[in-house]
Amino acid sequence: DTEVTQTPKHLVMGMTNKKSLKCEQHMGHRAMYWYKQKAKKPPELMFVYSYEKLSINESVPSRFSPECPNSSLLNLHLHALQPEDSALYLCASSQESGSSYEQYFGPGTRLTVT
Amino acid sequence: AQKVTQAQTEISVVEKEDVTLDCVYETRDTTYYLFWYKQPPSGELVFLIRRNSFDEQNEISGRYSWNFQKSTSSFNFTITASQVVDSAVYFCALSELGTSYGKLTFGQGTILTVHP
Repeated sequence: DTEVTQTPKHLVMGMTNKKSLKCEQHMGHRAMYWYKQKAKKPPELMFVYSYEKLSINESVPSRFSPECPNSSLLNLHLHALQPEDSALYLCASSQESGSSYEQYFGPGTRLTVT
Repeated sequence: AQKVTQAQTEISVVEKEDVTLDCVYETRDTTYYLFWYKQPPSGELVFLIRRNSFDEQNEISGRYSWNFQKSTSSFNFTITASQVVDSAVYFCALSELGTSYGKLTFGQGTILTVHP
């Protein structure tokens, strides 16, 4: 079963709100990723977790705060976002974090910041 | 630096036509991996294929086939007898062995529309 689930599917939040995006996988994968995708653009990597530890932060603003509570769950905490942060946020997982492993993506959360 | 170019921004075909999506890549590594992903309107990226740099065999999976040519740094994707359900954005991506955390460099994507 190659399934990554994400909640919520849609989220509208004001610039002063605090919200969280959730991602879950039950494939036993040890690497998990957050991507941001703007319309008609490819996904952009934000964070990589490997064995529940943050491996990579691609210079993401601190208003995005990732968390990996366990090997199956990945959260993205949002605070004081800007309208330009509106995008599709995709979670992905892979068996390991090396270059040879394909990543499996969730359906994404469509975020609108008002 | 690694780079992936998908020169075709949009392609429109009629059902049952064959269509080829082009992908050209640049890398300095001798070991690397190439991927194709499909993104339907629902938003989820669906993994289609992975190919490593030492395996130049073409691959066929049902109506899908891939042509990997290191000599031209290309990894093209052909859909035979296209169907409306093939309508999606298709991304080609590259990951170099030297990238320890598996970062994917995506092309800009090709929007494929299959008309009935």
